Amino acid sequence: DAGVIQSPRHEVTEMGQEVTLRCKPISGHNSLFWYRQTMMRGLELLIYFNNNVPIDDSGMPEDRFSAKMPNASFSTLKIQPSEPRDSAVYFCASSLGGGRVTDTQYFGPGTRLTVL
Amino acid sequence: GQNIDQPTEMTATEGAIVQINCTYQTSGFNGLFWYQQHAGEAPTFLSYNVLDGLEEKGRFSSFLSRSKGYSYLLLKELQMKDSASYLCAVPGNTGKLIFGQGTTLQVKP
Repeated sequence: DAGVIQSPRHEVTEMGQEVTLRCKPISGHNSLFWYRQTMMRGLELLIYFNNNVPIDDSGMPEDRFSAKMPNASFSTLKIQPSEPRDSAVYFCASSLGGGRVTDTQYFGPGTRLTVL
Repeated sequence: GQNIDQPTEMTATEGAIVQINCTYQTSGFNGLFWYQQHAGEAPTFLSYNVLDGLEEKGRFSSFLSRSKGYSYLLLKELQMKDSASYLCAVPGNTGKLIFGQGTTLQVKP
């Protein structure tokens, strides 16, 4: 079975541009998570969906960030406008979900974003 | 809230044993995860402990003491490929995982 799929793997953009990151979770998984990882702050949860509904978006930095999950097999994380401080690796992860906090999360390969 | 502490870096020799510690403070306990992350790659699941004691899985073992808010990951017969970051994580109340900063392990020949 395919794991979590993310695209693009690398993105270089200029400050002020819109960036859209994409994620396809593992088939049958009901929970989807977006993380950001930097050297300074480590791995931080941005937002978490269960059955396509956002459950916890307390980690979303500010209004420039938005995430959607229109169906069970696709999610996007959008940054508009992007800033150099958004440069990081963005991971998507999925788990079986169903409200269980102890389900193992499986991570995608990540998108390395560089904002110039 | 939740707080997790791990050493930042560790160095060990190939073939040796290394113990990576993690202390945590959490308002409600739902177990503790260990993930491995090689440089430039995604975190991958290693272990999950919810009961006290040691769980062994091949060369890797994970220990938990709920009363002490303490866990460790034990790596035996170290190999060069074990050089990676090791992340300790605890679930929050809403299902999200709170990760520690990670311990970067360097295995030397």
